[in-house]
Amino acid sequence: DGGITQSPKYLFRKEGQNVTLSCEQNLNHDAMYWYRQDPGQGLRLIYYSQIVNDFQKGDIAEGYSVSREKKESFPLTVTSAQKNPTAFYLCASSDSPRGPSDEQYFGPGTRLTVT
Amino acid sequence: ILNVEQSPQSLHVQEGDSTNFTCSFPSSNFYALHWYRWETAKSPEALFVMTLNGDEKKKGRISATLNTKEGYSYLYIKGSQPEDSATYLCAPYYGGATNKLIFGTGTLLAVQP
Repeated sequence: DGGITQSPKYLFRKEGQNVTLSCEQNLNHDAMYWYRQDPGQGLRLIYYSQIVNDFQKGDIAEGYSVSREKKESFPLTVTSAQKNPTAFYLCASSDSPRGPSDEQYFGPGTRLTVT
Repeated sequence: ILNVEQSPQSLHVQEGDSTNFTCSFPSSNFYALHWYRWETAKSPEALFVMTLNGDEKKKGRISATLNTKEGYSYLYIKGSQPEDSATYLCAPYYGGATNKLIFGTGTLLAVQP
C-alpha cells in the first residue's frame, strides 16, 4: 500500500536533547512537508522540500532542522533550541512541487512530549 | 498574517441530520481551496480541492461550494452518519510571497447514532 509512515507514534524526551522524527513515503512524490499542530491552532508549516537535496523554511522553522537526501525520506530534527517542542507533528507529501491544486497526503503523526 | 476562520468550532448532530460549516479566508492572492477530513487516530485525507469562483464539488453525501470573491467556502453533509464524525479542515492556497496552504483550526463534527 502506498502512503506515508511516521515513527514513532509517541516520543518522550528530556529538555535539552535533540530528537529526530522519521517520515517516509512510497508515493513517489517530489514535495514533502512538516507541520506542527498545537491546541486551538491550525496546522503550521515548519519546513518543506520540493525536491531531493533542497528544502525551505516554513513559518516556524526556528529550532528545527531537516534533510532530504532521498526522495522517500524527510526527517525532522527538533533541537534543544526549540523553545516549545511539545506538540503533534504531521508529515505530508504532494505530487508536484507546491502546485496550488495538489492535494497533500498526510502521515499518522508523531506526538512529541519534552519534559 | 493570513487568517482562515472556520465555524462553528464544534458541532454535535444526530444521525440523519444534515449539517454545514463555513470556511472564511482572505481572497487576495488566493489560488485554491482545500478541504480535508481528519478522523481521530487517523491521517487527514483530502476531500476536495476547488479553484474557481462558483465551483461546487460532491463526494457521496458531502458537497462543497466556493466563493472566491467574498472569500468563503461551505461544506455540506446530507444525512450525517456516525462515520462522518471527524475534524474538517479547510486550507486555502495562497500565491505570491506566501506560496503555501494556510490551515484553519477546523470544525469538529460529532454524529450521535
